[in-house]
Amino acid sequence: GENVEQHPSTLSVQEGDSAVIKCTYSDSASNYFPWYKQELGKGPQLIIDIRSNVGEKKDQRIAVTLNKTAKHFSLHITETQPEDSAVYFCAARSGGGGADGLTFGKGTHLIIQP
Amino acid sequence: SAVISQKPSRDICQRGTSLTIQCQVDSQVTMMFWYRQQPGQSLTLIATANQGSEATYESGFVIDKFPISRPNLTFSTLTVSNMSPEDSSIYLCSVRLPTDTQYFGPGTRLTVL
Repeated sequence: GENVEQHPSTLSVQEGDSAVIKCTYSDSASNYFPWYKQELGKGPQLIIDIRSNVGEKKDQRIAVTLNKTAKHFSLHITETQPEDSAVYFCAARSGGGGADGLTFGKGTHLIIQP
Repeated sequence: SAVISQKPSRDICQRGTSLTIQCQVDSQVTMMFWYRQQPGQSLTLIATANQGSEATYESGFVIDKFPISRPNLTFSTLTVSNMSPEDSSIYLCSVRLPTDTQYFGPGTRLTVL
C-alpha cells in the first residue's frame, strides 16, 4: 500500500518568514495530494490540494508543488502569521484498485515566533 | 465544499460499553470514510462506509469492533464496541465530493475510563 513520509516533524520560523514542509510518497499510481491544517481541538481543515496532472498550485500565501518523477510534494507558506501556527498533515490517495482513502504523513508542528 | 457535523462532539465512557457516533453531511457525496486519530498522532483510515452494503475495513480493523452503517448518501454511523482505554481517540468522519476533494468533520473526542 501507500506510504507517506513527512518532514520536518517540528518547524519554527519567525513571523513574516516562509515555511516549507516536504512529503514523499511510495505509490506511483497516487493521484490526489491534499494538505490539512489542524488546530488544537479541531478537525483537519483542507487548505490546498493538487492532482497528479498539475505541477504547482497557489492560493494567496499558500502553494503546493508536485514532482511525480521523484514522488514528492511540498507545502510553501509565505509571509507567515501567528495564526498559521498549527499541525499540518500531507496525504496521498492511491489511484489504483483498493482503498480509496487517504494515507497521511505523521504531521508537522509549525510554530510561528512573533 | 461540504459542511460535516458529528455527534457527539465528545464523550467519556466506561470500559465494556459501546458508543455510536453519527455523521451528517449537507451535500451528496461519492464516498464516506471513518478515521481514527490517537492522541498526538496522525490519522488512520478505519473503513470506507458503503451505502446499502457492508463497510470496507482496513487492515487491523474489524466489523465486530467497529460496525458501520450508511443508510443513505449523506449519513453514516460508527459504533465503537466493547470499549477499552486503548480506544480513547478522536474519531473523524470524512467525505469525498464528486470533484475528488476530501473534507473532514470536527471529530468526536472519546475517552474510555
